[in-house]
Amino acid sequence: QKEVEQNSGPLSVPEGAIASLNCTYSDRGSQSFFWYRQYSGKSPELIMSIYSNGDKEDGRFTAQLNKASQYVSLLIRDSQPSDSATYLCAVGRAQKLVFGQGTRLTINP
Amino acid sequence: GAGVSQSPRYKVAKRGQDVALRCDPISGHVSLFWYQQALGQGPEFLTYFQNEAQLDKSGLPSDRFFAERPEGSVSTLKIQRTQQEDSAVYLCASSLNRAGYTFGSGTRLTVV
Repeated sequence: QKEVEQNSGPLSVPEGAIASLNCTYSDRGSQSFFWYRQYSGKSPELIMSIYSNGDKEDGRFTAQLNKASQYVSLLIRDSQPSDSATYLCAVGRAQKLVFGQGTRLTINP
Repeated sequence: GAGVSQSPRYKVAKRGQDVALRCDPISGHVSLFWYQQALGQGPEFLTYFQNEAQLDKSGLPSDRFFAERPEGSVSTLKIQRTQQEDSAVYLCASSLNRAGYTFGSGTRLTVV
């Protein structure tokens, strides 16, 4: 079992709809969680961080954390074609981050 | 600098050749990380520096991989006797605290 698991997709969502991306992790002691967006051929870009159970909203993005279920999700409201990218879930372990393999998201106009 | 700078952007090496990849982190960022990203995969941790001290090198795949940061700023990742399986994007990131990294643009290494 990988430490951080994501469905590789591709996930197709119509423009304007809500995109829901999910991630599970195996280390119950993890304390910090991150979502990165990576466009094709580019480097990962941090879009959200979350440390406490519950929801954290930033513009069209909402990160959700459930430590009991070891589950992190990212919701993107009013999806735009520019949101088409690979989304990487990362879990902090000591100083480093452990990444999932990423979910490829396509927003269809 | 304003961001994390990596060079070269692309590198083609013949199998068996040594390569050196450079990373110039954001000014003032004490933590520096190297990751390897294979096609279609998430980044995999290689090594971590705090200032000039290499505190974790558990992700280096073999003794052909070596990293240094002698003055606590610029870092170099060296790969000796490159093999085809070393072909990947090598990402450098720096961080001021635990609030997440800033990645550089990466070096795409192709071993032929």
